[in-house]
Amino acid sequence: NAGVTQTPKFRILKIGQSMTLQCTQDMNHNYMYWYRQDPGMGLKLIYYSVGAGITDKGEVPNGYNVSRSTTEDFPLRLELAAPSQTSVYFCASSYGGGGLAFFGQGTRLTVV
Amino acid sequence: AQTVTQSQPEMSVQEAETVTLSCTYDTSESDYYLFWYKQPPSRQMILVIRQEAYKQQNATENRFSVNFQKAAKSFSLKISDSQLGDAAMYFCAYRFSGGSQGNLIFGKGTKLSVKP
Repeated sequence: NAGVTQTPKFRILKIGQSMTLQCTQDMNHNYMYWYRQDPGMGLKLIYYSVGAGITDKGEVPNGYNVSRSTTEDFPLRLELAAPSQTSVYFCASSYGGGGLAFFGQGTRLTVV
Repeated sequence: AQTVTQSQPEMSVQEAETVTLSCTYDTSESDYYLFWYKQPPSRQMILVIRQEAYKQQNATENRFSVNFQKAAKSFSLKISDSQLGDAAMYFCAYRFSGGSQGNLIFGKGTKLSVKP
């Protein structure tokens, strides 16, 4: 089983550029999440989705957008990259809100 | 709002010894889950152990065990017979079992070093 797969693993962006972080899971989980991890900090929730077509904001949504057109995929879009978005991004999924969360390997993003 | 606090930014333990990592949390809910995640340099988030709040018995997984004190809102992780591979960041996390979000709330982490 692949579990949760994130691409790319590393990326350097220039200020003002846009990009999409891809996340796909093959466990048929209905819940999916995007977190960011800043240096010396725990993970903070950006957006989450409880099923295809349903998304909602988490604790730190500014500067990001998401969509959920299928159960498997939950891409995260950065429209105008800013240095404050330099972070490690994790995608996760679970079966229901109480199910165990499975994490992808993370994407290290640097905005210069 | 729920919060998770890990008061030890760094800890060190000798190989084969025992170490305890501390975690406290704040919530007004009575039904929730608590977790310890390990994050090695590879960045992968690895679930170490899970505790359901309604269970009085402390969870154990091989060399890993917890001391769950619900009234004190404390959830410490004990690692016995520490191994070099245990060196990593450890995150304590909380998840409310009701509601619709299901997201995890993390502490800032404790960096564990294991000395040979």
